[in-house]
This record gives sequence, C-alpha cells and structure tokens, in this order.
Amino acid sequence: QQQVKQSPQSLIVQKGGISIINCAYENTAFDYFPWYQQFPGKGPALLIAIRPDVSEKKEGRFTISFNKSAKQFSLHIMDSQPGDSATYFCAARTGYKLSFGAGTTVTVRA
Amino acid sequence: NAGVTQTPKFQVLKTGQSMTLQCAQDMNHEYMSWYRQDPGMGLRLIHYSVGAGITDQGEVPNGYNVSRSTTEDFPLRLLSAAPSQTSVYFCASSAQQGFIGYTFGSGTRLTVV
Repeated sequence: QQQVKQSPQSLIVQKGGISIINCAYENTAFDYFPWYQQFPGKGPALLIAIRPDVSEKKEGRFTISFNKSAKQFSLHIMDSQPGDSATYFCAARTGYKLSFGAGTTVTVRA
Repeated sequence: NAGVTQTPKFQVLKTGQSMTLQCAQDMNHEYMSWYRQDPGMGLRLIHYSVGAGITDQGEVPNGYNVSRSTTEDFPLRLLSAAPSQTSVYFCASSAQQGFIGYTFGSGTRLTVV
C-alpha cells in the first residue's frame, strides 16, 4: 500500500502550457517532500524539494505548492517544453527513507 | 567523479538462479539504498544502509540480501530468482549531513524467466 498517492498517471500538455501533478499523504511524520524527474533508461534525478513549513517553492519553471493541513502537495511545470517530457515522482521522507508515488508520465506536444 | 555506478545494466536469469547486483559510489556518502521500480508502483525500498556494517530492511526485502563492508559498495544479492523479481533495480546514495535526497544510479534491468 503506497504511502504517497500521486495523480494523474499520465498527462499530455501543449508546448507552453502548464502541467500539474498532485500528491497526497497520510503519515504526519513525513518531513521533507522531494520531486524526482526520470527520463527513459535513466535513474530518477532530484528536481525540487520542499519542507512542510513552507507553502510554496519555485525554481525556474518548476513550482511546488504545499498544503500541510490537507496533507497535499503539487508540482506545477510552467511554460512546458518538449524537453520536460519525462516521468515525475513525488516522494516523502521519514529519516533517510523515501516513500514514492506511482509516477506521472508527462508528454509535451510541440 | 562517477557518482553512483551500477553493474550490470541488463541481466536475464533463470528461475532459481542467484546473482549479485553491484553498486558503488565515490562521493563518500553514508546512506545507500536499493529500490525496485515496477510499472504503476513507483519505487519501492528493498534494503538500506546508514553506514558501513549497518543495514536494514525496507518495504519489500523478501528474496534479497545486502551487506555493506565498505562505505563505497552496497551489493544486492538475489538468493533464488523468481519471475516476480523481474524489475528495474536502482541503487541510490546520499550524504548524511543535511539530507537532501538521493542520487540514483542508472539502473539494472533484470528479467527472470
């Protein structure tokens, strides 16, 4: 049973559009929430991360929104580009263990 | 600086065979983990280590063994391969101080027939 529930499973967005991926959790012991980006044939790579005392974090075109009371967080990819086509995983940490969502495959159409 | 190196990249095993997936990191990281990735299930933790000589089980440890005799190496052993162990396996490492997430290797794609 996954501790972090991620949706949607896949999405298609036009170049320049906004991609939104949502994650939810129940375990209040989670204290760090990273997002990973994975290209085919490669290992996941850390994209951006947030701590629960922050409601939003932005790095370039990528923004995490965090709602501690709802136990939800989301990744927004602004001005989506074909190079953003990848699988995105949300994760949550307790100690040094990460629990991952099931992943969202994002396809950006030119 | 190679990061996290996994070998082999691909492997086909027959049911019942044993093998070792190799993982090495050159970043002097204390934390190392093994994950398996299956479609629709994300990454699931198999075993992890917080330093040389210290290992523990993750979510899905059955059928796997690990050891950590050095900081650099963290091999994963499949004792008697089963078709259910067909998966992509990732090794990852992280520094202890200010944990900011794992650096992953490029994976080993294992097929058990």
